[in-house]
Amino acid sequence: SYELTQPPSVSVSPGQTARITCSGDALPKQYAYWYQQKPGQAPVLVISKDSERPSGIPDRFSGSSSGTTVTLTISGVQAEDEADYYCQSADSSGTYEVFGTGTKVTVL
Amino acid sequence: EVQLVESGGGLVQPGGSLRLSCAASGFTFSIYWMSWVRQAPGKGLEWVANIKQDGTEKYYVDSVKGRFTISRDNAKNSLYLQMNSLRAEDTAVYYCARIGAAAGIYFDSWGQGTLVTVSS
Repeated sequence: SYELTQPPSVSVSPGQTARITCSGDALPKQYAYWYQQKPGQAPVLVISKDSERPSGIPDRFSGSSSGTTVTLTISGVQAEDEADYYCQSADSSGTYEVFGTGTKVTVL
Repeated sequence: EVQLVESGGGLVQPGGSLRLSCAASGFTFSIYWMSWVRQAPGKGLEWVANIKQDGTEKYYVDSVKGRFTISRDNAKNSLYLQMNSLRAEDTAVYYCARIGAAAGIYFDSWGQGTLVTVSS
């Protein structure tokens, strides 16, 4: 089955930049999306179609894509950004959706 | 404001059945694909199933095929998940999610989830 691989954890000091990668063989063909999930809450879409920011999402969140890897970048990290982050995409056929393994972002 | 409210979760024995419901409001339910996504305790997100606007297309993750059925009632603005032959590994919070209108499959609104526990 298709998998999207993320680092388990990323630690960053306030004001610094956090980068979270997501790797998958079908990413050159399929859009990637990113979600933020805080404890006890439902996920929230923070990046759409590799790099688009939905309405209401702060501009410190950005996304990029290169080959089989997509990256979520949080610039000027704030304490409130501490959360789990998941990438999501489809397999090469576009039939099945897959979430990444998830990355816990800790703000030191 | 988009609202998705799940119900129907609870404790069920292995091999049992459960039907989850999701009441949608604040948007035109009938023009959106809808989905179920689950999250086992302390684990990551797992996509479960999608259903087209008119219910004519349905897709499932392999692990639930033949056991779970996604359906919808556009007149009642409701989404359902019938879960049969439940297993311990189906224990999770089940989220109802709206699939976004733009190209690609993504989840732009989520409910708060309902917990399903499969245990004897």
